[in-house]
Amino acid sequence: DAGVIQSPRHEVTEMGQEVTLRCKPISGHNSLFWYRQTMMRGLELLIYFNNNVPIDDSGMPEDRFSAKMPNASFSTLKIQPSEPRDSAVYFCASSSLVGGLYTGELFFGEGSRLTVL
Amino acid sequence: AQSVAQPEDQVNVAEGNPLTVKCTYSVSGNPYLFWYVQYPNRGLQFLLKYITGDNLVKGSYGFEAEFNKSQTSFHLKKPSALVSDSALYFCAVRDFFTGGGNKLTFGTGTQLKVEL
Repeated sequence: DAGVIQSPRHEVTEMGQEVTLRCKPISGHNSLFWYRQTMMRGLELLIYFNNNVPIDDSGMPEDRFSAKMPNASFSTLKIQPSEPRDSAVYFCASSSLVGGLYTGELFFGEGSRLTVL
Repeated sequence: AQSVAQPEDQVNVAEGNPLTVKCTYSVSGNPYLFWYVQYPNRGLQFLLKYITGDNLVKGSYGFEAEFNKSQTSFHLKKPSALVSDSALYFCAVRDFFTGGGNKLTFGTGTQLKVEL
């Protein structure tokens, strides 16, 4: 299994530009999560989906952030317009049911490191 | 809301010595607790979990964790540390919500440094 795949791994952009981060979860997983990691704030859950439906987006910082999951194998996190304080590593993670129960184990991608100048 | 606390930003230990990374939790009901490890420039990796059963949970790479209900703790341990164990360790708790799911709330992380 290829694991959770994120792209791009690194992105440097200028303030005001649109940024789109992409995630392909592990095949068969039905939950998908977007986390943000910074030195100051640690790991923050931004949004998560169950069966492609957003369940909780209370962690999304503001309206500049949006996330979609058009199908079970793809999700995007978009920032428009981007600001320097958005600089962080953004992680996507997925998980699944085992025997009808959630295991609690998340599988993380390698992350997308965003720098906004 | 469920939460975990990691009181130490960094733990230093000599190779071959036992190590402990501390975590305390605050939950309503029975806790689902986890440890994850993050190596530099990588995503988090699952180490072990406690849901129910034995208080001593064994996980990957020789790590184990002890669930202590009276002290509301879930400390990560390893009998003999390796330099390769140097990484950032996160404790996490599962948040329950209607419809189930794996929403995890992570602690602030503890940097483990194992020296020769």
